Amino acid sequence: KQEVTQIPAALSVPEGENLVLNCSFTDSAIYNLQWFRQDPGKGLTSLLLIQSSQREQTSGRLNASLDKSSGRSTLYIAASQPGDSATYLCAVNTGFQKLVFGTGTRLLVSP
Amino acid sequence: GAGVSQTPSNKVTEKGKYVELRCDPISGHTALYWYRQSLGQGPEFLIYFQGTGAADDSGLPNDRFFAVRPEGSVSTLKIQRTERGDSAVYLCASSLGQNTGYTFGSGTRLTVV
Repeated sequence: KQEVTQIPAALSVPEGENLVLNCSFTDSAIYNLQWFRQDPGKGLTSLLLIQSSQREQTSGRLNASLDKSSGRSTLYIAASQPGDSATYLCAVNTGFQKLVFGTGTRLLVSP
Repeated sequence: GAGVSQTPSNKVTEKGKYVELRCDPISGHTALYWYRQSLGQGPEFLIYFQGTGAADDSGLPNDRFFAVRPEGSVSTLKIQRTERGDSAVYLCASSLGQNTGYTFGSGTRLTVV
């Protein structure tokens, strides 16, 4: 059974810092991995999608990497801003049309 | 539409009542998914539709939960005899297919009192 773990559970940084969020999964047989952002009381906003054959994806200040063999993905946020404060979720597509989610990392960026 | 639309955004119901939650996916997305998110947790899979048929309903917790998608577009998640433990945010997502990303709606926050 696929299990997804995100570390740390919570992170607080001052504005301008670069930061890394970690996601690990137990079964390397995945189709793709997707990073989402969730604001309090809201739904999920897709940030980046990495296919199993890819190593990384970039969008603006965000960069996500994937190491399928070791069961790890990282989300790198450059020059963090207060508007980046949210919960970040990673989800693994197991190939059976199911996403398995981690419990998320709550990020707070202080001005 | 431009995004996945879910209605209502909030629903408060009494224990034992019946509720229906609606999802309107992105036009042209053949795959539709329902997830449930409890406080402080990641979303958990409930059911997946490909077209009109439920291709995988293995995540439905029990037979009080049922979902339909009669015309391959809008879907309704139905919960009978609601219990306080059903309180959660119910999220709907749609996608073009297996290797494409999922687009989620804003969710319906269900509170059973």
